[in-house]
Amino acid sequence: DTGVSQDPRHKITKRGQNVTFRCDPISEHNRLYWYRQTLGQGPEFLTYFQNEAQLEKSRLLSDRFSAERPKGSFSTLEIQRTEQGDSAMYLCASSLFPLTGAVTVRANYGYTFGSGTRLTVV
Amino acid sequence: SQKIEQNSEALNIQEGKTATLTCNYTNYSPAYLQWYRQDPGRGPVFLLLIRENEKEKRKERLKVTFDTTLKQSLFHITASQPADSATYLCALVRTGGFKTIFGAGTRLFVKA
Repeated sequence: DTGVSQDPRHKITKRGQNVTFRCDPISEHNRLYWYRQTLGQGPEFLTYFQNEAQLEKSRLLSDRFSAERPKGSFSTLEIQRTEQGDSAMYLCASSLFPLTGAVTVRANYGYTFGSGTRLTVV
Repeated sequence: SQKIEQNSEALNIQEGKTATLTCNYTNYSPAYLQWYRQDPGRGPVFLLLIRENEKEKRKERLKVTFDTTLKQSLFHITASQPADSATYLCALVRTGGFKTIFGAGTRLFVKA
């Protein structure tokens, strides 16, 4: 397993266009998170999945944003009708969250992040 | 409102010295606290986690302390090296929570 992969690394789009990003988490991880980060700030939580269920969405996530994780594997984040304020680094992370005693032994509760997708809306 | 505060000013230290970074939080009851390293253009990398019932955690040259009374964590890098230069992020997870909330980070520069 090579870690968390995100695609594309960079995306430049015109205002009003739709964009979709993909995240492939570490295969044994059951939780997947999306964060957004702007220059000089820490990552801001957007949403997270436990397996295929989306369990929370931040108020930051307007109706233009949607995320999916079909079959509990990879995830996609789509932004419709992009605006210049959407320009940011979009980070995906995964973690192994203990659900049983056996899992607890391996879980360290830290997140493994991908390298992110840099979105520029012009 | 809930806040995580890290020193926004960059920390400049000489190689070989100990770097100490501070994380303060308000209106929060964290179950555990994490520290991450982030290099420019890259995602954060998990370094250490400390739980609310732990006072101190060590890993190689890294040491983290957690004072729930002061609502503060200190992150130390001993015998610092230029390769330690990066932004260090403090992050909290609330008791019974599921998402990690990050501070804005502190930039560390280690001069040779």
